[in-house]
Amino acid sequence: GENVEQHPSTLSVQEGDSAVIKCTYSDSASNYFPWYKQELGKRPQLIIDIRSNVGEKKDQRIAVTLNKTAKHFSLHITETQPEDSAVYFCAAPSAGGTSYGKLTFGQGTILTVHP
Amino acid sequence: SAVISQKPSRDICQRGTSLTIQCQVDSQVTMMFWYRQQPGQSLTLIATANQGSEATYESGFVIDKFPISRPNLTFSTLTVSNMSPEDSSIYLCSVTGAVGEKLFFGSGTQLSVL
Repeated sequence: GENVEQHPSTLSVQEGDSAVIKCTYSDSASNYFPWYKQELGKRPQLIIDIRSNVGEKKDQRIAVTLNKTAKHFSLHITETQPEDSAVYFCAAPSAGGTSYGKLTFGQGTILTVHP
Repeated sequence: SAVISQKPSRDICQRGTSLTIQCQVDSQVTMMFWYRQQPGQSLTLIATANQGSEATYESGFVIDKFPISRPNLTFSTLTVSNMSPEDSSIYLCSVTGAVGEKLFFGSGTQLSVL
């Protein structure tokens, strides 16, 4: 099955700085890579995703890049704000890309943005 | 996206008892799943809830411990049976099919077992 490794486990930045979280995956058949943000006491929220036919996707201050050859993908947050503070999870399909609902999640990154 | 509601939102239970968690979606969805999030940990898939048939369980999870029902396209239940303190977790219902194949999570049920 799929194995997803996520780094770093904690990340502390100053407001306005950029933050980068990286994930690696093991199954070369995986073709969909979502990122979720979970604020304290709340459900995980999908913030951005990328499919394997593109290398980069942007949505305002967040972007995701994918390197299929190296089997890694990254979340980039620019101009960070205190409200970006949360736990971020990357994920990849557990079943070789056949179901986007059956996901293997990374261990999570606690992002803290200091005002 | 679909509104996914869970009941109860939280509960404190005694060991050896069982709790049934309900998940209601405000529109028909293709697939429903149940995930577990242990304290301070990541999310782990328990099973796929199949409409009108037995759920499909992931490695490490069994029907006797986590019976699941899905009688229609908008509703599912997860029962945590014969609970022990190790079952203390957040249980999350999730769905795809509401917006493409993206996975969305319900409001969650925080379970504490004493």
